[in-house]
Amino acid sequence: ETGVTQTPRHLVMGMTNKKSLKCEQHLGHNAMYWYKQSAKKPLELMFVYSLEERVENNSVPSRFSPECPNSSHLFLHLHTLQPEDSALYLCASSQDLGAGGDLDTEAFFGQGTRLTVV
Amino acid sequence: GQNIDQPTEMTATEGAIVQINCTYQTSGFNGLFWYQQHAGEAPTFLSYNVLDGLEEKGRFSSFLSRSKGYSYLLLKELQMKDSASYLCAVADSGAGSYQLTFGKGTKLSVIP
Repeated sequence: ETGVTQTPRHLVMGMTNKKSLKCEQHLGHNAMYWYKQSAKKPLELMFVYSLEERVENNSVPSRFSPECPNSSHLFLHLHTLQPEDSALYLCASSQDLGAGGDLDTEAFFGQGTRLTVV
Repeated sequence: GQNIDQPTEMTATEGAIVQINCTYQTSGFNGLFWYQQHAGEAPTFLSYNVLDGLEEKGRFSSFLSRSKGYSYLLLKELQMKDSASYLCAVADSGAGSYQLTFGKGTKLSVIP
C-alpha cells in the first residue's frame, strides 16, 4: 500500500492522442515530482513542484505538460508523443524540497504508469 | 554533473550475504539514498547516509565514504523476496537543483 497513487497503471496511446496521467499523494507532503524510467536507463527527473509552484523543469519537451492544482495532486498532460516516449512514468512526493541533507527529502514513489506510444 | 556507477546485475544464493557497490562524483555531496524496486512496482526507500560510516537496519546495512565517493548496500541472510533492482541515488547541493540523481540500478537475483 502506498501513500502515492497513480492512474492509470497502463496506457497505450497513438502519436496524435492527448491523454493525462494523474498522481495523488495522501501524505501531506509539500513537494511532488515526475520521473521517467526507461529500460536500462536511470530514473530521469522531469519536473519538480513545491507548494504547487514549478521549481524545476529538466529540459523536458513541450509535448509533456505538468499541472499541479494543489499540493496533493499532480498531472502530466501528454500530446503528440513519440514512440521513444514509451516508458514507466513515476510520480513521487517528499515532505520538503531540497537536495538531501536530511530525511525530509526522502521520496515516496507511486506505482507508476506504464506508457506505450504506438 | 554527476556520474553514478553501480553493477548492472548480480546473483547470490539464498541465505548468503551480498554487497552492492555504488560510486559517485558530485560537486556538492548532500546525501545518498538506496531504494529497492521490485519489477513493476514503485521504488521504496531503504536507507540514507550523509555522514561516513555504516548504518544498520535489520538485514540491510549501508556504508558511506565521502572521501572515496563510495557507498555499498549490504544484504544479509538473503531471501528470495530480495530479488529486485537496487537503486543508488545521490543528492548534490552543488548542482543548485533539488533533485536526486539515480544510478541505473543493480538487478539482484537470489537463487535457491
